[in-house]
Amino acid sequence: SAVISQKPSRDICQRGTSLTIQCQVDSQVTMMFWYRQQPGQSLTLIATANQGSEATYESGFVIDKFPISRPNLTFSTLTVSNMSPEDSSIYLCSVEPRISDYGYTFGSGTRLTVV
Amino acid sequence: KNQVEQSPQSLIILEGKNCTLQCNYTVSPFSNLRWYKQDTGRGPVSLTIMTFSENTKSNGRYTATLDADTKQSSLHITASQLSDSASYICVVSLGYGGATNKLIFGTGTLLAVQP
Repeated sequence: SAVISQKPSRDICQRGTSLTIQCQVDSQVTMMFWYRQQPGQSLTLIATANQGSEATYESGFVIDKFPISRPNLTFSTLTVSNMSPEDSSIYLCSVEPRISDYGYTFGSGTRLTVV
Repeated sequence: KNQVEQSPQSLIILEGKNCTLQCNYTVSPFSNLRWYKQDTGRGPVSLTIMTFSENTKSNGRYTATLDADTKQSSLHITASQLSDSASYICVVSLGYGGATNKLIFGTGTLLAVQP
């Protein structure tokens, strides 16, 4: 399965600022996914990032708040903009399995605390 | 509404004991069901994946079952170890076909194995 390097692993940010999270995959992948995991909650898909086109956002998430870049087939970034304490969550990137018998691969997550 | 519910929410067992985690889903059309293990501060890691026609699959001390008729799955952990302490997440894929299926995540069962 693919190996994903996600950084930063954690950060504490002031409200009103922005944080960019990076995900690097060790192989080329068509789609990358960004998730949010709020405390005690399940993972919620924020958007799907395709190389060469705009990201597709899920209901409740907008590009102005969570701009995504996908400059090539191995890299993507998610920015959390104009942060408020409600944005405190774990953010994870994920890629599809190369072989259908395998599960989706997830990054190790970014634990964001907004103060 | 497509939902995945897991029980119990949390569980404490003694090292060496067995335990069973439950997952009920109301997802249609169904494609497959995965169990993930998420260690604290890490991304989820796939344990098993089962399609409609499979009713049991093992991965070491982890055995997953699937009853597609009752829409229930279980994850049985044998001879638990301290390293099994984690959140276990049940994930069901919607079967729309095509390159990517939408994932529905359960809220997870938090397992603590005590010495």
